[in-house]
Amino acid sequence: QVQLQESGPGLVKPSETLSLTCSVSGGSISGYYWSWIRQPPGKGLEWIGYTYYSGSTNYNPSLESRVSISVDTSKNQFSLKLSSVTAADTAVYYCARRRVGVVIFENWGQGTLVTVSS
Amino acid sequence: DIQMTQSPSTLSASVGDRVTITCRASESISSWLAWYQQKPEKAPKLLIYKASSLEGGVPSRFSGSGSGTEFTLTISSLQPDDFATYYCQQYSSSSYTFGQGTKLEIK
Repeated sequence: QVQLQESGPGLVKPSETLSLTCSVSGGSISGYYWSWIRQPPGKGLEWIGYTYYSGSTNYNPSLESRVSISVDTSKNQFSLKLSSVTAADTAVYYCARRRVGVVIFENWGQGTLVTVSS
Repeated sequence: DIQMTQSPSTLSASVGDRVTITCRASESISSWLAWYQQKPEKAPKLLIYKASSLEGGVPSRFSGSGSGTEFTLTISSLQPDDFATYYCQQYSSSSYTFGQGTKLEIK
């Protein structure tokens, strides 16, 4: 069973760039799509974007100008960068594997809380 | 963006009850709807996809139905492990939006 684990700073200053990495174990990153989803404290879920193992990407139009998702197949990892963050970007960030052929999320990491504050 | 609206926001029920949660889409999404269960401090878990297909390993007391703009998630006989928050998600259009969630509480 594939396992995902998010890592990165838990505190980011306003206007800076949030950077997170998701490490995939128990299976290869190749052949699948890999996603980021976030959840502000006490609120619902928001899809951020996904990358194919080949590097092609698709982003939520509402975040597209600030988001970049990349993949490193040699390390079995993929990463999220979100620029110009504000307090509204404070959330638990989840990485997840997207099912091939449909945009549903079948395996999730445990999530990591990122707080935007000075 | 397609908006997803769940009702109710909170539902109080007892073990053994049959419960139904509704999810409405702002435009037709055919059957491109998934349901997830989330427990406190945990990641969501996929329960149902394509409106009514049960994910492997999910108990058969969970079922989904609907198409177009109106969908339901039914739990036929609530078990203690089922008290959680449930989210619907559309995957018809490229914003892949979630509902706001329905919290299922113990009465």
